Amino acid sequence: EAGVAQSPRYKIIEKRQSVAFWCNPISGHATLYWYQQILGQGPKLLIQFQNNGVVDDSQLPKDRFSAERLKGVDSTLKIQPAKLEDSAVYLCASSLGTAGEQFFGPGTRLTVL
Amino acid sequence: GNSVTQMEGPVTLSEEAFLTINCTYTATGYPSLFWYVQYPGEGLQLLLKATKADDKGSNKGFEATYRKETTSFHLEKGSVQVSDSAVYFCALSGGSNYQLIWGAGTKLIIKP
Repeated sequence: EAGVAQSPRYKIIEKRQSVAFWCNPISGHATLYWYQQILGQGPKLLIQFQNNGVVDDSQLPKDRFSAERLKGVDSTLKIQPAKLEDSAVYLCASSLGTAGEQFFGPGTRLTVL
Repeated sequence: GNSVTQMEGPVTLSEEAFLTINCTYTATGYPSLFWYVQYPGEGLQLLLKATKADDKGSNKGFEATYRKETTSFHLEKGSVQVSDSAVYFCALSGGSNYQLIWGAGTKLIIKP
């Protein structure tokens, strides 16, 4: 069974530029999560989807971050414009349902200069 | 609110040493508790879990017991190997959406 796929693996941009990350969850997984992991910290949930609906986006900085999960499968996370403090690893995870085990992708390491 | 506190790293041990990584939590209700591991260059993987008090989770020689009286879920292994070098995260799941609340992670370095 294929795992959670993410791309790109690495991205370097300058502040005020925009960037987008892509996630393909495990087939059949209804719940999809985006996390931000700053170096030396645990992951912080940005947004949780159930199929193509948003369950929780309370910690998503909506002035600059947006996410969508069209058709309830793939998802994209966008940052526009980026700030220096957005430098982090962005993790995507999926699970069968909200109470199920979360499976993580390898992450995208973003560096904002 | 819910929170997880785990011991700061890095923890450096020699091969075959005994390992303990402390984890304590604050939560309302009865959360599930997890240990995740992140090997260099890889994604987070579930190592073990426990869903109720006195449960013991185990996997790959690692164990952790859900202690409600001390609100703890310490990770232990009797004899570590170089391949166990990684970052270990303690987490809890609670609330209506079962969202994970994470500790800051503990980096483990095993020297041959």
